[in-house]
Amino acid sequence: ETGVTQTPRHLVMGMTNKKSLKCEQHLGHNAMYWYKQSAKKPLELMFVYSLEERVENNSVPSRFSPECPNSSHLFLHLHTLQPEDSALYLCASSQDRLRHYNEQFFGPGTRLTVL
Amino acid sequence: AQKVTQAQTEISVVEKEDVTLDCVYETRDTTYYLFWYKQPPSGELVFLIRRNSFDEQNEISGRYSWNFQKSTSSFNFTITASQVVDSAVYFCALSEETQGGSEKLVFGKGMKLTVNP
Repeated sequence: ETGVTQTPRHLVMGMTNKKSLKCEQHLGHNAMYWYKQSAKKPLELMFVYSLEERVENNSVPSRFSPECPNSSHLFLHLHTLQPEDSALYLCASSQDRLRHYNEQFFGPGTRLTVL
Repeated sequence: AQKVTQAQTEISVVEKEDVTLDCVYETRDTTYYLFWYKQPPSGELVFLIRRNSFDEQNEISGRYSWNFQKSTSSFNFTITASQVVDSAVYFCALSEETQGGSEKLVFGKGMKLTVNP
């Protein structure tokens, strides 16, 4: 596998379910990101991890819980979501989280539908 | 706050036509980075270009070219002799430094390009 991979690609869940999204990067990067892409809204940054430490939480509700066990893997744990949380969730990685470093590489995303 | 505006939401052209995608940005930073990403139907964002604010030289890469005009805060993207495979949503983005010191990308709403055979 190369680049950034995400699983599952599609997920349908009820409001009371608990599920997790997984992201893996094979680029040797130190920073990983979660973005949310909703219909008719620009891409929004949710979380930033640097060397497994969460360094940014962009006012995301607690029903989204990220986890970064090592620099290659990033999870987004979901529980008691709302229908408005239906969106494409994109994971990205970059060499470093600081400005002036290389571009962010994105995975294919998980299309989440909350019923 | 930083802002990126892509005024066109959707463009449809016929193969071999040239097409220009507009991007206008707002920032108070003196040093910043601008990006273009392509999102094909498969979903992933594909990096196309990164340009820093000190480099106003236009860039050409094959059929792609970019025109950076600091005076008008624009970073336009032109596809020459478009092909069906160019059909995608294109995003312009501006880097912003968060309070925590991370680089955050501020994206425009995207522009859907359809190239018809």
